[in-house]
Amino acid sequence: GAVVSQHPSRVICKSGTSVKIECRSLDFQATTMFWYRQFPKQSLMLMATSNEGSKATYEQGVEKDKFLINHASLTLSTLTVTSAHPEDSSFYICSASRGGEVNQPQHFGDGTRLSIL
Amino acid sequence: EDQVTQSPEALRLQEGESSSLNCSYTVSGLRGLFWYRQDPGKGPEFLFTLYSAGEEKEKERLKATLTKKESFLHITAPKPEDSATYLCAVQHSWGKFQFGAGTQVVVTP
Repeated sequence: GAVVSQHPSRVICKSGTSVKIECRSLDFQATTMFWYRQFPKQSLMLMATSNEGSKATYEQGVEKDKFLINHASLTLSTLTVTSAHPEDSSFYICSASRGGEVNQPQHFGDGTRLSIL
Repeated sequence: EDQVTQSPEALRLQEGESSSLNCSYTVSGLRGLFWYRQDPGKGPEFLFTLYSAGEEKEKERLKATLTKKESFLHITAPKPEDSATYLCAVQHSWGKFQFGAGTQVVVTP
């Protein structure tokens, strides 16, 4: 069964709206979670690394004020797309690794399809 | 520059027609190489982890192998349910994951 849950699966909203996406690890604690963005027929592009209890680490070119990340507990990270515009429309996916062990695979949520009108 | 390149971009197979997917990589330090399967509109599903050259892993009709420069995912006698996009990812020595663009596999009856 799924070990990472992501919600919602699909969002359609007007330009200027802020959208929050949740990522939960279901049966393990995750000190680190990852947020990716995926365009059609392209690979996953890492946006940021979410660290429990501290600030997220953003990849080059990703606006931290645009994509707010909060990792308030060991099982929950949230990504908020602030004042979303049509160019923010994409497939957003989170992942988490079982903490404390090196070389653990990332387990992914089922993604959130964001469509900004 | 660290790169992960998958080929071919797309692969169309007849049911039962075995084939291989390639993932070549150039990274300064490899902690592990991972294979995932992704169905449309879904997140990637973990398949295998390979850590060192010469290592092989198998699961049903899939077999993954690793050398110092590349990894292969062999699909033996595929079935239509094996249709998906297959992604490889390398984990750098400092922990970051880097994904290839994927190979879209379509298996027809």
